[in-house]
Amino acid sequence: AQTVTQSQPEMSVQEAETVTLSCTYDTSESDYYLFWYKQPPSRQMILVIRQEAYKQQNATENRFSVNFQKAAKSFSLKISDSQLGDAAMYFCVVGSPGGSNYKLTFGKGTLLTVNP
Amino acid sequence: DSGVTQTPKHLITATGQRVTLRCSPRSGDLSVYWYQQSLDQGLQFLIQYYNGEERAKGNILERFSAQQFPDLHSELNLSSLELGDSALYFCASSPAEVRAYEQYFGPGTRLTVT
Repeated sequence: AQTVTQSQPEMSVQEAETVTLSCTYDTSESDYYLFWYKQPPSRQMILVIRQEAYKQQNATENRFSVNFQKAAKSFSLKISDSQLGDAAMYFCVVGSPGGSNYKLTFGKGTLLTVNP
Repeated sequence: DSGVTQTPKHLITATGQRVTLRCSPRSGDLSVYWYQQSLDQGLQFLIQYYNGEERAKGNILERFSAQQFPDLHSELNLSSLELGDSALYFCASSPAEVRAYEQYFGPGTRLTVT
């Protein structure tokens, strides 16, 4: 079984500032992936960034980067130069492989507000 | 736009009724997943199909069923609907490659049971 914990139900940041969203997870799998998805008010679920657990290097995607601490089972998301369009619910997700049998386990989410 | 389409966008129906939600995956994706997002339960995995075959089941009720057709589109059937079934239902698809793990989500179908 997998669990994902996001301890910050809500966060806020000023436009152009940096914010970090926290996530811890637990899995018995040795091979897994981690993701951050965002869900803006439109309700569309959008992939933000992904991290392969076997890679030590932290993933980066433009203004979004992660701090992956495998031993601590921690996977935080840093958003730099925050923009109004970043306002959304952010979900930390663990994915366990198994060939083509595969599912994602979602955290409860962190609602990010960006203040102008 | 993820390339995954879902119809209808909104559905309002009464308790005890049956509805069908439809999903077309991204071109080339063989796997389709269904998720339910409700206020109290968060986002939960329901079921996965891969190239027409059921591959994994999550917290799917017996009143719910799904299938994936030869053209790879999928349908989620919800029957004997209850008020608690009101939720946003997402379909997601993933690439055909074995070790490709991203799932791309459709816009969702909002089901309201009255």
